[in-house]
Amino acid sequence: EMQLVESGGDLVQPGGSLRLSCAASGFTFSDYTMTWVRQAPGKGLEWVSSVSASADNTDYADSVKGRFTISRDNSKNTVYLQMNSLRGEDTAVYYCAKWVVSGWAECWGQGTLVTVSS
Amino acid sequence: DIVMAQSPDSLAVSLGERATLNCKSSQSVLYSSNNKNYLAWYQQKPGQPPKLLIYWASTRESGVPDRFSGSGSGTDFTLTISSLQAEDVAVYYCQQYYSVPITFGQGTRLEIK
Repeated sequence: EMQLVESGGDLVQPGGSLRLSCAASGFTFSDYTMTWVRQAPGKGLEWVSSVSASADNTDYADSVKGRFTISRDNSKNTVYLQMNSLRGEDTAVYYCAKWVVSGWAECWGQGTLVTVSS
Repeated sequence: DIVMAQSPDSLAVSLGERATLNCKSSQSVLYSSNNKNYLAWYQQKPGQPPKLLIYWASTRESGVPDRFSGSGSGTDFTLTISSLQAEDVAVYYCQQYYSVPITFGQGTRLEIK
């Protein structure tokens, strides 16, 4: 059974940093693009970033470009999201998703909550 | 960026009745070289992550009940639930994957009347 488990969410002050992790199991991780999608409290879904299967291509939403970095370790079946210069508007549940290369999320984790507040 | 607009924002339908949810993109998501619409639908129940229902605008994901169907092309799309069940109460999102940035609609909240 496919499973994605996010971790690393926390309360952090504005301007701070955080690294999220997403551990995958139940599928051949190295064959798939992985994506982070976030959802602010009571709001809709926002695509954040994607990394290709071999990590040779990454994409970012304009709202996080230059502040967030996506990476992956195929030997550990894990994808990461390094978040720097955090702002209040980054407060959200962050989901990682197994991404079919054409562009949809086939499987989602349960999410990890990031709260940016002083 | 392609803007996705869903309507209505909320919808109340009686059990067993048809529910029709709409999604409109600001530009066509039909890729002419393969004649495919780059559009997916998701269901999100309270406290849960989203769940994939439909991709390529009309292809049902494995395990999704056949009361769910997707239709439309170009810029106008519809998710139809043919006979609403209590477990279908959720927020439904459309998403385009025609171009980066990937964008979602704002969601339609579906309730029981």
